[in-house]
Amino acid sequence: NAGVMQNPRHLVRRRGQEARLRCSPMKGHSHVYWYRQLPEEGLKFMVYLQKENIIDESGMPKERFSAEFPKEGPSILRIQQVVRGDSAAYFCASSSGHGNTDTQYFGPGTRLTVL
Amino acid sequence: QKEVEQDPGPLSVPEGAIVSLNCTYSNSAFQYFMWYRQYSRKGPELLMYTYSSGNKEDGRFTAQVDKSSKYISLFIRDSQPSDSATYLCATHTGGFKTIFGAGTRLFVKA
Repeated sequence: NAGVMQNPRHLVRRRGQEARLRCSPMKGHSHVYWYRQLPEEGLKFMVYLQKENIIDESGMPKERFSAEFPKEGPSILRIQQVVRGDSAAYFCASSSGHGNTDTQYFGPGTRLTVL
Repeated sequence: QKEVEQDPGPLSVPEGAIVSLNCTYSNSAFQYFMWYRQYSRKGPELLMYTYSSGNKEDGRFTAQVDKSSKYISLFIRDSQPSDSATYLCATHTGGFKTIFGAGTRLFVKA
């Protein structure tokens, strides 16, 4: 019974490069959420996706960041032209989308370091 | 003002102590309240989920919500070294947008 999977677990990029973070939701889950966590700070909501649809991206910077959840394959969080301030842990969560008590289950995170 | 305020700690207690972790929130529309535990270098895992005011108990853990004062608590009885982690409170209005506190780091000393 695999949980939420994220890869890579660690990613190092130089300033100006692109970072691609992948998330495979739990089996049976069609809702994916991305969060960013900075040291000593809580999880900050970035984007909420269902299959092939972005439902809410209000927490995602308008420039350089994009997310997708295609019909087949994992959800991708893409950061273009990374800067040092993008260094953080990025967590993906998934849920079944059923009702108000819909529980989000988190993956282990991808730790992005921008040199 | 942050929507959810949580003292980051750290909080250090001896093994066997009762631990009290707390959060306050500002939006009276929040209806659902959660506590997550996050071990170092891991993703958060859901510990407790409560709706509206009241208490909920699960083993050594008790979650308490007081909507009149916008205060949520997590109590851990007979704390163990394995409870050492960061505890995040979280809340939402019934939709998907969950707001998290900054997390309190707890250390339980053997």
